[in-house]
This record gives sequence, C-alpha cells and structure tokens, in this order.
Amino acid sequence: AQTVTQSQPEMSVQEAETVTLSCTYDTSESNYYLFWYKQPPSRQMILVIRQEAYKQQNATENRFSVNFQKAAKSFSLKISDSQLGDTAMYFCAFMKHTNAGKSTFGDGTTLTVKP
Amino acid sequence: DAGVTQSPTHLIKTRGQQVTLRCSPKSGHDTVSWYQQALGQGPQFIFQYYEEEERQRGNFPDRFSGHQFPNYSSELNVNALLLGDSALYLCASSLEVGSINYGYTFGSGTRLTVV
Repeated sequence: AQTVTQSQPEMSVQEAETVTLSCTYDTSESNYYLFWYKQPPSRQMILVIRQEAYKQQNATENRFSVNFQKAAKSFSLKISDSQLGDTAMYFCAFMKHTNAGKSTFGDGTTLTVKP
Repeated sequence: DAGVTQSPTHLIKTRGQQVTLRCSPKSGHDTVSWYQQALGQGPQFIFQYYEEEERQRGNFPDRFSGHQFPNYSSELNVNALLLGDSALYLCASSLEVGSINYGYTFGSGTRLTVV
C-alpha cells in the first residue's frame, strides 16, 4: 500500500515571498502520478500541479513548481510570489499509473499568507 | 463548462438512518470517485464508478454503496449511520485519455453530520 506524508501541519509566509511545502511518499511502484491540490475554506479541492513519475523534468504552473526527487520519494511544492489567495490547505496525493482513479492523500499542510 | 456539482451541501442525520448523496460530474468526464474527508485529515478513497460499475473500492464497509447512471452522475448511499460517518464527502470526476490520468475535478462536497 502507498503512504503519503506531509510533515508540516501548518506554515505561514509573508505576501510576495516564497514558501516550500514538503511531501514524501512510499511506494514500490515505478510508474505513477503525483499531485498537489489546494483546498480553500470554500472546501472545493483544486488541482494545482501534476507530475508524472517517468518524467525527470519538474512540473511548473505559473508561480507553482515542484521538486520531484524520485529516488528519495520526495515531492515538494514551491510557491513563488505568495498571494493572499494562496491561503488554503494543501494536499499531496499519489496515484498508481496502473490503478488510475484511486488517489492516496496526505493529511495536508495549512498555509497562511500574511499581508 | 459546468464543474462537478454535489447535493445537498449540508445534511444532518440521526444515528441508524440512511443517507443518499448525489454528484454530477464535469462535462465530458466519465469516471466518478467518492472520498470521505474527516475534519483535519486528507480525503480517504471510498470507491470509484466507471461505465456504471464499481471499478475500485477502498477500505470502507458494505454500509457504503453507490451507483452510477447512464449520464455518468452518481449517488453515494450510507446505511445505518454512525457518529463516525460525520465528515465532508467529496465527489471527484476524471477522464482518462488512453491510460493517462489528468487528475481530478472535485465538487465542493456534502457536509454530513450524524447526531
């Protein structure tokens, strides 16, 4: 079974600064997907960024980028130029490539962006 | 383009009762997954429906059942409610192109309180 660990329950950052959220996972699979989702107080989970394990290049989406270290089973999310609207809970998730659909989530990191 | 729609948004039930939650997937999506998110935790996979059949199931008892209709909408049924069933229930839809999964689109969830 896969496990996903987010070791930072809460983090804060000043507006316009950069913050990195950590995620580690455990799997024996070689091909899989990793995701970061954002859940604001409105409750809707929003996909932030996606990484395919077979791709060595780190995914980027505007101000969001990841540092994917496959050997270390680490998948951190970097948020640059933090904005007040980035305040939310962030979840790291794992999905096996051959078992598409079922994702295993971490317990989340609550990020607060301070003005 | 409508996203994922869930109803109702909030629900209060008494122990022992039965409940039905509903989900309409994003337009163009054919797969629906249900997750249970307890307060302060990450979502836990309940089951997934594809082509009107349960394709995968997480570690949930048989009290949790579901259905998918020909228009891809889905229902989650929970019988003999327990206090521990109180949670946010998230529906997520997805589309697999070939064997590539592009991640979920989530609804805003149904907050179920069992008293």
